[in-house]
Amino acid sequence: EAAVTQSPRSKVAVTGGKVTLSCHQTNNHDYMYWYRQDTGHGLRLIHYSYVADSTEKGDIPDGYKASRPSQENFSLILELASLSQTAVYFCASKGLNTLYFGAGTRLSVL
Amino acid sequence: KTQVEQSPQSLVVRQGENCVLQCNYSVTPDNHLRWFKQDTGKGLVSLTVLVDQKDKTSNGRYSATLDKDAKHSTLHITATLLDDTATYICVVGDRGSALGRLHFGAGTQLIVIP
Repeated sequence: EAAVTQSPRSKVAVTGGKVTLSCHQTNNHDYMYWYRQDTGHGLRLIHYSYVADSTEKGDIPDGYKASRPSQENFSLILELASLSQTAVYFCASKGLNTLYFGAGTRLSVL
Repeated sequence: KTQVEQSPQSLVVRQGENCVLQCNYSVTPDNHLRWFKQDTGKGLVSLTVLVDQKDKTSNGRYSATLDKDAKHSTLHITATLLDDTATYICVVGDRGSALGRLHFGAGTQLIVIP
Protein backbone atom coordinates (compact mmCIF):
# COMPACT_ATOMS: atom_id res chain seq x y z
CA GLU A 1 0.00 0.00 0.00
CA ALA A 2 1.28 3.43 -0.93
CA ALA A 3 2.50 5.39 2.06
CA VAL A 4 4.12 8.62 3.12
CA THR A 5 5.36 8.67 6.69
CA GLN A 6 6.33 11.84 8.53
CA SER A 7 8.25 12.19 11.76
CA PRO A 8 7.86 13.55 14.30
CA ARG A 9 4.08 13.98 14.37
CA SER A 10 4.44 17.00 16.59
CA LYS A 11 7.29 19.07 17.92
CA VAL A 12 7.85 22.03 20.16
CA ALA A 13 10.95 24.05 19.34
CA VAL A 14 12.56 27.14 20.79
CA THR A 15 13.16 30.28 18.79
CA GLY A 16 16.59 30.15 17.15
CA GLY A 17 16.87 26.40 17.47
CA LYS A 18 17.38 23.91 14.64
CA VAL A 19 14.48 21.70 13.57
CA THR A 20 14.51 18.78 11.16
CA LEU A 21 11.31 17.26 9.82
CA SER A 22 11.59 13.89 8.12
CA CYS A 23 9.56 12.24 5.38
CA HIS A 24 9.78 8.70 4.04
CA GLN A 25 7.83 7.29 1.09
CA THR A 26 7.42 3.74 -0.13
CA ASN A 27 5.66 4.69 -3.38
CA ASN A 28 8.73 4.68 -5.60
CA HIS A 29 7.81 8.22 -6.66
CA ASP A 30 10.39 10.60 -8.05
CA TYR A 31 8.63 13.78 -6.92
CA MET A 32 8.39 14.78 -3.27
CA TYR A 33 7.09 17.99 -1.76
CA TRP A 34 7.02 19.94 1.50
CA TYR A 35 4.00 22.15 2.20
CA ARG A 36 2.94 24.21 5.16
CA GLN A 37 -0.66 24.68 6.24
CA ASP A 38 -1.81 27.67 8.22
CA THR A 39 -5.30 28.05 9.60
CA GLY A 40 -7.59 29.65 7.05
CA HIS A 41 -5.12 29.30 4.19
CA GLY A 42 -4.43 26.75 1.53
CA LEU A 43 -1.28 24.65 1.56
CA ARG A 44 1.79 26.49 0.33
CA LEU A 45 4.79 24.89 -1.32
CA ILE A 46 8.12 25.28 0.48
CA HIS A 47 10.53 22.97 -1.37
CA TYR A 48 10.27 20.04 -3.73
CA SER A 49 12.52 17.47 -5.31
CA TYR A 50 12.32 15.35 -8.44
CA VAL A 51 15.47 13.29 -7.96
CA ALA A 52 17.76 12.21 -5.16
CA ASP A 53 20.49 14.70 -4.19
CA SER A 54 18.60 17.59 -5.75
CA THR A 55 16.05 20.04 -4.33
CA GLU A 56 14.17 23.01 -5.74
CA LYS A 57 12.67 26.08 -4.15
CA GLY A 58 8.92 26.36 -3.96
CA ASP A 59 6.81 29.45 -3.39
CA ILE A 60 7.88 30.21 0.20
CA PRO A 61 11.44 28.82 0.66
CA ASP A 62 12.85 31.56 2.89
CA GLY A 63 13.94 30.22 6.27
CA TYR A 64 13.84 26.60 5.12
CA LYS A 65 16.29 24.16 3.60
CA ALA A 66 15.58 20.75 2.14
CA SER A 67 17.57 17.58 1.70
CA ARG A 68 16.87 14.53 -0.52
CA PRO A 69 19.55 11.95 0.31
CA SER A 70 17.66 9.12 -1.40
CA GLN A 71 14.52 8.58 -3.46
CA GLU A 72 12.65 7.49 -0.34
CA ASN A 73 13.68 10.27 2.05
CA PHE A 74 13.09 14.02 1.99
CA SER A 75 13.83 16.29 4.95
CA LEU A 76 12.88 19.86 5.76
CA ILE A 77 15.35 21.82 7.87
CA LEU A 78 14.76 24.97 9.84
CA GLU A 79 18.25 26.21 10.78
CA LEU A 80 16.98 29.04 12.99
CA ALA A 81 13.37 28.42 13.91
CA SER A 82 11.16 31.49 14.27
CA LEU A 83 7.72 32.10 15.73
CA SER A 84 6.28 32.63 12.24
CA GLN A 85 7.19 29.05 11.33
CA THR A 86 4.60 27.64 13.71
CA ALA A 87 2.35 25.64 11.40
CA VAL A 88 1.43 22.15 10.25
CA TYR A 89 3.85 20.73 7.69
CA PHE A 90 2.87 18.14 5.10
CA CYS A 91 5.06 15.99 2.94
CA ALA A 92 3.70 14.50 -0.28
CA SER A 93 4.89 12.23 -3.05
CA LYS A 94 3.57 12.30 -6.59
CA GLY A 95 3.39 9.68 -9.27
CA LEU A 96 1.94 9.83 -12.77
CA ASN A 97 -1.69 10.19 -11.69
CA THR A 98 -1.44 9.87 -7.95
CA LEU A 99 -0.63 12.17 -5.08
CA TYR A 100 -0.15 10.92 -1.51
CA PHE A 101 0.20 13.02 1.61
CA GLY A 102 1.70 12.22 4.96
CA ALA A 103 -0.28 12.75 8.16
CA GLY A 104 1.50 16.02 8.90
CA THR A 105 3.84 17.41 11.55
CA ARG A 106 2.49 20.02 13.93
CA LEU A 107 5.35 22.39 14.77
CA SER A 108 5.09 24.94 17.55
CA VAL A 109 7.93 27.44 17.91
CA LEU A 110 8.03 29.18 21.27
CA LYS B 1 -3.79 36.81 -4.35
CA THR B 2 -5.83 33.68 -3.59
CA GLN B 3 -6.40 31.78 -6.81
CA VAL B 4 -8.69 29.08 -5.40
CA GLU B 5 -11.73 30.16 -3.40
CA GLN B 6 -13.96 27.69 -1.60
CA SER B 7 -17.41 28.24 -0.20
CA PRO B 8 -18.93 28.00 2.25
CA GLN B 9 -16.08 28.30 4.73
CA SER B 10 -17.97 25.96 7.06
CA LEU B 11 -21.16 23.98 6.90
CA VAL B 12 -23.24 22.03 9.42
CA VAL B 13 -25.67 19.38 8.18
CA ARG B 14 -27.66 16.62 9.82
CA GLN B 15 -26.76 13.02 9.15
CA GLY B 16 -28.58 11.79 6.07
CA GLU B 17 -28.84 15.18 4.40
CA ASN B 18 -27.12 16.05 1.13
CA CYS B 19 -24.69 18.93 0.76
CA VAL B 20 -22.83 20.81 -1.97
CA LEU B 21 -19.41 22.40 -1.70
CA GLN B 22 -18.22 25.01 -4.16
CA CYS B 23 -14.83 25.81 -5.65
CA ASN B 24 -14.07 28.83 -7.85
CA TYR B 25 -10.61 29.44 -9.21
CA SER B 26 -8.60 31.76 -11.42
CA VAL B 27 -5.63 29.44 -12.05
CA THR B 28 -4.45 29.45 -15.66
CA PRO B 29 -3.86 27.05 -17.23
CA ASP B 30 -6.18 24.70 -15.39
CA ASN B 31 -5.12 21.20 -16.36
CA HIS B 32 -7.01 19.28 -13.65
CA LEU B 33 -8.84 19.70 -10.38
CA ARG B 34 -8.80 17.39 -7.36
CA TRP B 35 -10.96 17.22 -4.26
CA PHE B 36 -9.32 16.04 -1.07
CA LYS B 37 -10.76 15.06 2.31
CA GLN B 38 -8.76 15.98 5.40
CA ASP B 39 -9.83 14.47 8.69
CA THR B 40 -8.82 16.46 11.76
CA GLY B 41 -5.14 15.96 12.47
CA LYS B 42 -4.64 13.80 9.40
CA GLY B 43 -3.24 14.13 5.92
CA LEU B 44 -5.14 14.81 2.70
CA VAL B 45 -6.82 11.91 0.95
CA SER B 46 -7.81 12.22 -2.69
CA LEU B 47 -11.53 11.78 -3.40
CA THR B 48 -11.65 12.43 -7.11
CA VAL B 49 -9.86 14.12 -10.01
CA LEU B 50 -11.52 16.02 -12.86
CA VAL B 51 -9.75 16.64 -16.12
CA ASP B 52 -12.07 17.43 -19.04
CA GLN B 53 -13.46 20.82 -20.06
CA LYS B 54 -16.84 19.82 -18.64
CA ASP B 55 -16.32 16.79 -16.45
CA LYS B 56 -18.27 14.71 -13.98
CA THR B 57 -17.05 12.01 -11.64
CA SER B 58 -18.63 9.76 -9.06
CA ASN B 59 -17.04 7.92 -6.15
CA GLY B 60 -19.66 6.28 -3.96
CA ARG B 61 -21.60 9.01 -2.16
CA TYR B 62 -19.24 11.66 -3.54
CA SER B 63 -19.82 13.18 -6.95
CA ALA B 64 -18.11 16.15 -8.52
CA THR B 65 -18.42 18.43 -11.51
CA LEU B 66 -16.01 20.72 -13.29
CA ASP B 67 -16.71 23.51 -15.76
CA LYS B 68 -13.43 24.94 -17.01
CA ASP B 69 -15.21 27.73 -18.94
CA ALA B 70 -16.65 29.01 -15.67
CA LYS B 71 -13.60 27.89 -13.67
CA HIS B 72 -15.96 26.31 -11.21
CA SER B 73 -16.27 22.93 -9.51
CA THR B 74 -18.75 21.39 -7.10
CA LEU B 75 -18.51 18.45 -4.73
CA HIS B 76 -21.77 16.78 -3.82
CA ILE B 77 -22.04 14.50 -0.81
CA THR B 78 -25.16 12.38 -0.71
CA ALA B 79 -26.75 10.99 2.48
CA THR B 80 -24.05 12.33 4.76
CA LEU B 81 -22.59 10.20 7.55
CA LEU B 82 -20.95 11.29 10.79
CA ASP B 83 -17.62 10.12 9.31
CA ASP B 84 -17.98 12.73 6.57
CA THR B 85 -17.06 15.35 9.17
CA ALA B 86 -13.81 16.76 7.79
CA THR B 87 -12.30 19.59 5.79
CA TYR B 88 -12.70 19.29 2.03
CA ILE B 89 -9.99 20.90 -0.05
CA CYS B 90 -10.11 21.86 -3.71
CA VAL B 91 -6.79 21.76 -5.57
CA VAL B 92 -6.14 22.98 -9.11
CA GLY B 93 -3.16 21.69 -11.08
CA ASP B 94 -1.79 23.95 -13.77
CA ARG B 95 -0.11 21.17 -15.74
CA GLY B 96 -0.58 17.50 -16.33
CA SER B 97 2.99 16.61 -15.61
CA ALA B 98 4.65 16.45 -12.22
CA LEU B 99 6.35 19.75 -13.08
CA GLY B 100 3.04 21.53 -12.69
CA ARG B 101 2.17 23.49 -9.58
CA LEU B 102 -0.76 22.70 -7.34
CA HIS B 103 -2.92 25.56 -6.10
CA PHE B 104 -4.80 24.83 -2.89
CA GLY B 105 -8.02 26.26 -1.56
CA ALA B 106 -8.35 26.94 2.16
CA GLY B 107 -11.01 24.25 2.46
CA THR B 108 -14.62 23.90 3.57
CA GLN B 109 -15.11 22.53 7.07
CA LEU B 110 -18.06 20.15 7.05
CA ILE B 111 -19.62 19.08 10.33
CA VAL B 112 -22.22 16.32 10.29
CA ILE B 113 -24.41 16.14 13.39
CA PRO B 114 -26.71 13.31 14.47
